[in-house]
Amino acid sequence: QQQVKQSPQSLIVQKGGIPIINCAYENTAFDYFPWYQQFPGKGPALLIAIRPDVSEKKEGRFTISFNKSAKQFSLHIMDSQPGDSATYFCAALKAAGNKLTFGGGTRVLVKP
Amino acid sequence: DTGVSQDPRHKITKRGQNVTFRCDPISEHNRLYWYRQTLGQGPEFLTYFQNEAQLEKSRLLSDRFSAERPKGSFSTLEIQRTEQGDSAMYLCASGPLYEQYFGPGTRLTVT
Repeated sequence: QQQVKQSPQSLIVQKGGIPIINCAYENTAFDYFPWYQQFPGKGPALLIAIRPDVSEKKEGRFTISFNKSAKQFSLHIMDSQPGDSATYFCAALKAAGNKLTFGGGTRVLVKP
Repeated sequence: DTGVSQDPRHKITKRGQNVTFRCDPISEHNRLYWYRQTLGQGPEFLTYFQNEAQLEKSRLLSDRFSAERPKGSFSTLEIQRTEQGDSAMYLCASGPLYEQYFGPGTRLTVT
């Protein structure tokens, strides 16, 4: 059972555009929602994370929007650059279990 | 300390052989995790340690897989009698509580 669903699978934007990646979760016990960026051949790198008591969080050009009632959250990449081209994963964690459950990933391509 | 390190980065082995991977976490982190990632998919949880205690194991971790974290420092993941389906990237992560920081992974190819 896929507990975190991520869309779209891939996304192409022009430099300066705002890619938006969406995730939906099922388990209301999740209480920590991170986003990871992964380049080919590398491990995932923690970008930004949010707790469900907050509706939005910004760090640099990355913003998470969180809708607890809809059980959805999204990542916006402001002023995207070609160097942002990577695969992005959303994830969710239950404090009691402590394991991350990942979405399927979104491959983002930012064209110059 | 520059982050989580894993060794080796790449391993090619023949079916039926045993392999062992090592993970060195960020020194102040007491939690250590192993995940497996296949091409085009998100990482899948395998097992988790808090200090030297192994607290949770996934159903993905068959009896051919064993993980240890002696003295609560580095960890090893051993796969016995490897199968072609074991080919994947094996990722280690460490963290203080919620955050998990990943290493570069070990790419295993079983021929």
